[in-house]
Amino acid sequence: SQTIHQWPATLVQPVGSPLSLECTVEGTSNPNLYWYRQAAGRGLQLLFYSVGIGQISSEVPQNLSASRPQDRQFILSSKKLLLSDSGFYLCAWSRGYDQYFGPGTRLTVT
Amino acid sequence: GDSVTQMEGPVTLSEEAFLTINCTYTATGYPSLFWYVQYPGEGLQLLLKATKADDKGSNKGFEATYRKETTSFHLEKGSVQVSDSAVYFCALSSGSGGSNYKLTFGKGTLLTVNP
Repeated sequence: SQTIHQWPATLVQPVGSPLSLECTVEGTSNPNLYWYRQAAGRGLQLLFYSVGIGQISSEVPQNLSASRPQDRQFILSSKKLLLSDSGFYLCAWSRGYDQYFGPGTRLTVT
Repeated sequence: GDSVTQMEGPVTLSEEAFLTINCTYTATGYPSLFWYVQYPGEGLQLLLKATKADDKGSNKGFEATYRKETTSFHLEKGSVQVSDSAVYFCALSSGSGGSNYKLTFGKGTLLTVNP
């Protein structure tokens, strides 16, 4: 069966510091991968998606970036965090219509 | 572009009450429709789905029917339990070609069920 991991689970970072969140998927190959952010108020915003290694599409212009160095690894990064980057970050994978979500990373920027 | 509108709540019910959470959508073509559930502090779980008009998705006592004529996908459950307390998201998926399917989410509805 497929599983999706995210780490860290929680993170508190000062404004201006760098960020690296990691997502890995097990039990499948060549999945589509997604990063979402859920800010206070519950709505989900698609940030990036990837259909293959090195292929990244950005949905919203911002100071975040994503990379996919391996087939089942998806990384979300920032060089300098802003207060507005606080939120719950969710990674998801799919091989068709259904998307399956990881447990999420709670990021607080102070 | 695609959009999903769902009742924002919060919705508070007593155990064994009937639940309806409304969801309507705007999309080009023929999207697939989904309900996801998020329990406190966790990621989203796929609850049910429907991929074509008049399909009914069902799982764990929850049901939703894909109504193309009213562009709706309302979530229902006949008798809610305390354990159903969560945030519920309606979503649609419209393929953009190839193998990529992006989800468009509603804003979520917080459901609280009291004993």
